[in-house]
Amino acid sequence: GAVVSQHPSRVICKSGTSVKIECRSLDFQATTMFWYRQFPKQSLMLMATSNEGSKATYEQGVEKDKFLINHASLTLSTLTVTSAHPEDSSFYICSAREGGGNTIYFGEGSWLTVV
Amino acid sequence: GIQVEQSPPDLILQEGANSTLRCNFSDSVNNLQWFHQNPWGQLINLFYIPSGTKQNGRLSATTVATERYSLLYISSSQTTDSGVYFCAVEDGSEKLVFGKGTKLTVNP
Repeated sequence: GAVVSQHPSRVICKSGTSVKIECRSLDFQATTMFWYRQFPKQSLMLMATSNEGSKATYEQGVEKDKFLINHASLTLSTLTVTSAHPEDSSFYICSAREGGGNTIYFGEGSWLTVV
Repeated sequence: GIQVEQSPPDLILQEGANSTLRCNFSDSVNNLQWFHQNPWGQLINLFYIPSGTKQNGRLSATTVATERYSLLYISSSQTTDSGVYFCAVEDGSEKLVFGKGTKLTVNP
């Protein structure tokens, strides 16, 4: 079946630095990928829709300058958390839909801790 | 926007017991999926089920689209079934809206 891979699975960074998370579709092309954020014991909240070759579409309340999304190829989307602060610590997870299919597949997720 | 409600929020079972998880949604949907999130955070697809009934081993799901609900059945539960079960629906915009989940704990 379709596989979506995220890297890194865990990252710790210092406050004020930036960190990049990658989301790859391993065996299919994805013109659209989605980035979610999940706080402990809460549900997943959509942050933005990543569109290959064009600008990402951000959900209301998500700072586009803080959460930079780049979808430079049909198999890779990246989320960069800029000038990270402790409140950005969270679980970030991406998803993609296999072309022409109905099922949406999720990456393994990335745990970000800002110290 | 579309609302997704899941019940119960928490469920504790003894190994071997059966359970039913419910998902109600507020509007017509193009896509409904059930996911299991394991303790490490990974989301595993269980079912794509916008309507009808599907079965996969000890798990089965039924969606009655006209009445806007879906049910996930777990039979003969095992400790490895523990985790959070999410229902997510798509309203036609390719965006998935998640319920708050049901946290299942299966005790040995």
